[in-house]
Amino acid sequence: DTAVSQTPKYLVTQMGNDKSIKCEQNLGHDTMYWYKQDSKKFLKIMFSYNNKELIINETVPNRFSPKSPDKAHLNLHINSLELGDSAVYFCASSQDTDGGTEAFFGQGTRLTVV
Amino acid sequence: SQELEQSPQSLIVQEGKNLTINCTSSKTLYGLYWYKQKYGEGLIFLMMLQKGGEEKSHEKITAKLDEKKQQSSLHITASQPSHAGIYLCGADSSNAGKSTFGDGTTLTVKP
Repeated sequence: DTAVSQTPKYLVTQMGNDKSIKCEQNLGHDTMYWYKQDSKKFLKIMFSYNNKELIINETVPNRFSPKSPDKAHLNLHINSLELGDSAVYFCASSQDTDGGTEAFFGQGTRLTVV
Repeated sequence: SQELEQSPQSLIVQEGKNLTINCTSSKTLYGLYWYKQKYGEGLIFLMMLQKGGEEKSHEKITAKLDEKKQQSSLHITASQPSHAGIYLCGADSSNAGKSTFGDGTTLTVKP
């Protein structure tokens, strides 16, 4: 069984569209994350939720809005997509927010904005 | 700004050769992780190091964290094509739950 699953795996869309990426974890973890990996393979945290509450919100455009309906799900909605949003987005989860706990990552969603 | 620096950025080795990837931080690290990523796939957790001087091994991969907890190295012995991929180090510094990552090392192993 997949521990952290993201859908879709690939997403190609036009500029200006609104799209969502879904993430689900079946590990019973309390904390979930969204990371963006740019073309240089650099991973940068975007958001972190603990028990459905936002705890980390990095400098990300307002067009990005995470939604956590329950602690097993953290979806990422992006409005008015721009070319620069093209990247691979990774969802992850960990048991808690304390440093030193292993994070489990999803397969990634490759978003291409044309 | 990026807190972790990895070197080298890319590495091409002949199968059977040993190699080392380094990860350096300007800050003391709370926890240091190594991940491997294959193209189009997610990140696979390799190892986590927390104590200064700690060393862990898994099959032919060994990771070490220095005493000051600011530098880690990942060593692969007798590399195989299956080791090819992108290796990322990640760390928790002062902000719990806010891991940062290095920019990755792309490893190619030639048969």
